[in-house]
Amino acid sequence: DAGITQSPRHKVTETGTPVTLRCHQTENHRYMYWYRQDPGHGLRLIHYSYGVKDTDKGEVSDGYSVSRSKTEDFLLTLESATSSQTSVYFCAISESIDRGENEKLFFGSGTQLSVL
Amino acid sequence: GQQLNQSPQSMFIQEGEDVSMNCTSSSIFNTWLWYKQDPGEGPVLLIALYKAGELTSNGRLTAQFGITRKDSFLNISASIPSDVGIYFCAGPKSGGADGLTFGKGTHLIIQP
Repeated sequence: DAGITQSPRHKVTETGTPVTLRCHQTENHRYMYWYRQDPGHGLRLIHYSYGVKDTDKGEVSDGYSVSRSKTEDFLLTLESATSSQTSVYFCAISESIDRGENEKLFFGSGTQLSVL
Repeated sequence: GQQLNQSPQSMFIQEGEDVSMNCTSSSIFNTWLWYKQDPGEGPVLLIALYKAGELTSNGRLTAQFGITRKDSFLNISASIPSDVGIYFCAGPKSGGADGLTFGKGTHLIIQP
């Protein structure tokens, strides 16, 4: 199994509060991703990182920010949580984006976030 | 943007049956990936395909990269209870660092 740890695994919070989810990897992979998974929508990319301090937006980035100060950690922050951000959040890593064997993503076990 | 359409959305089968599912796109993909997600866990990579026409097996699973490069198929032979889960197809987005596009999944349910 890829060494990816997401924390917390479950969180319940109130609307308007800030929330930070953490993804920690032990694989020293360059690329890291945050996805959210919702019924009827599948997996959608929130933000991604292509190196320390290098991040970019995905297709559903509004209301989210990320930071990557070390290779092994990628943080996802909801500055002011809303009920529409209730979801399961997955972190993923990739060694390379070169064509061929290294386009694979490996996923963490997810964080179930409920915003009441 | 690129979209992947998976069918069927759900499958209810008996243990021991063979399963077929597919994934189609209006865009050409140079790589097709198939993932499985168990309840409460993240998706796990099953099979990766890199060439049009390629047929690759992983145990009882066989996946094919369509000749047109716009579709892919996954077959499971002699299904067992642990095959239950959601199966996703995926392909690279723009070729940059922005990860994979995923289909919405096929939910496989095995009836005793």
